[in-house]
Amino acid sequence: KQEVTQIPAALSVPEGENLVLNCSFTDSAIYNLQWFRQDPGKGLTSLLLIQSSQREQTSGRLNASLDKSSGRSTLYIAASQPGDSATYLCAVNNDMRFGAGTRLTVKP
Amino acid sequence: NAGVTQTPKFRILKIGQSMTLQCTQDMNHNYMYWYRQDPGMGLKLIYYSVGAGITDKGEVPNGYNVSRSTTEDFPLRLELAAPSQTSVYFCASTSSPPYGYTFGSGTRLTVV
Repeated sequence: KQEVTQIPAALSVPEGENLVLNCSFTDSAIYNLQWFRQDPGKGLTSLLLIQSSQREQTSGRLNASLDKSSGRSTLYIAASQPGDSATYLCAVNNDMRFGAGTRLTVKP
Repeated sequence: NAGVTQTPKFRILKIGQSMTLQCTQDMNHNYMYWYRQDPGMGLKLIYYSVGAGITDKGEVPNGYNVSRSTTEDFPLRLELAAPSQTSVYFCASTSSPPYGYTFGSGTRLTVV
């Protein structure tokens, strides 16, 4: 059974800092991994999708990497802004096994 | 606005009561999903559907039922509410997994 873990559970950083969020999974035979953002009281918004054959994907200040052999993905956020404050979740495969998320707070 | 609409947004149920959570999408998506999210946890898949008339169990289906009579609607039924079903429920849809998931804004359910 695929287990997805996200560490840390919460992270607080000052504005402008670069940061990394982690996602690990137990079964390396994945098809894809997706990063989502969840704002309080709202649904999820897809940020980046990495197919199993890819090593990374970039969108603006966001960069997601995938290392299947080690069962890890990272989401790198450059020059963080207060508007980046949200919960970030990773999900594996089409049936989307989710991690518990990392709650990010960026302080002005 | 096009998207996934969930009703109600909030509901309090007494133990043993029944209710239906509504989910409607107007994007002609074949794939629809129901998730629950407990505090501090990720989303867990309850049921999903790959098209009208076709439904299947997800990771945590016990205590729930679904139907998919049309492409647009995917209601989730709780027959005998239990405190363990207190959660936030999200509906999602896509035309082509794993791309383009659209989530509803959720239904916060409390069973007392």
